Amino acid sequence: SAVISQKPSRDICQRGTSLTIQCQVDSQVTMMFWYRQQPGQSLTLIATANQGSEATYESGFVIDKFPISRPNLTFSTLTVSNMSPEDSSIYLCSAHEDRGTEAFFGQGTRLTVV
Amino acid sequence: GESVGLHLPTLSVQEGDNSIINCAYSNSASDYFIWYKQESGKGPQFIIDIRSNMDKRQGQRVTVLLNKTVKHLSLQIAATQPGDSAVYFCAEMTDSWGKLQFGAGTQVVVTP
Repeated sequence: SAVISQKPSRDICQRGTSLTIQCQVDSQVTMMFWYRQQPGQSLTLIATANQGSEATYESGFVIDKFPISRPNLTFSTLTVSNMSPEDSSIYLCSAHEDRGTEAFFGQGTRLTVV
Repeated sequence: GESVGLHLPTLSVQEGDNSIINCAYSNSASDYFIWYKQESGKGPQFIIDIRSNMDKRQGQRVTVLLNKTVKHLSLQIAATQPGDSAVYFCAEMTDSWGKLQFGAGTQVVVTP
């Protein structure tokens, strides 16, 4: 199975600042996905990141707030911009080794905004 | 570590008993379903999957059942162990590229 590394694993940030989360996969993957998991809740998809094109955002998420980069087939970043306490969540990236198979997840980034 | 399941439904199971975790999915067109286990402070870990052309699939100590008529999934864990304590999520794949829609999750607590 693919190994996905995320960093930072956790951070405490001041409101109004931005944080960039990095996600590295140990193999080339076509699509990468970013999810948010608010405290005590399930995972919600933020966006799908395809190499060489703009990310596709789900309803309720916008590029200005969550800009995503996908410079190559093994790496992606998610930025949480102009943070507020409501952005305090776990952010997770995932990828599939093959199309239509199970997704593997990073360990997540636990973000606290104060 | 912190728990991600503080507000989730909880299933308390005695060690050695069987666990059954249920999940309702939303899209009748979904054709691939996955169960994940999430331990405190970690990302979701794949347990077992099933495609819509099957109604049952077995793994090591786990069985997934799919009822497409009522859009229901269940995960059965045999001889539940303390290491099975975690939050369990079902997920349905909503497009061919791999977008997942997750269920609400169930916190499983194994008691001695």
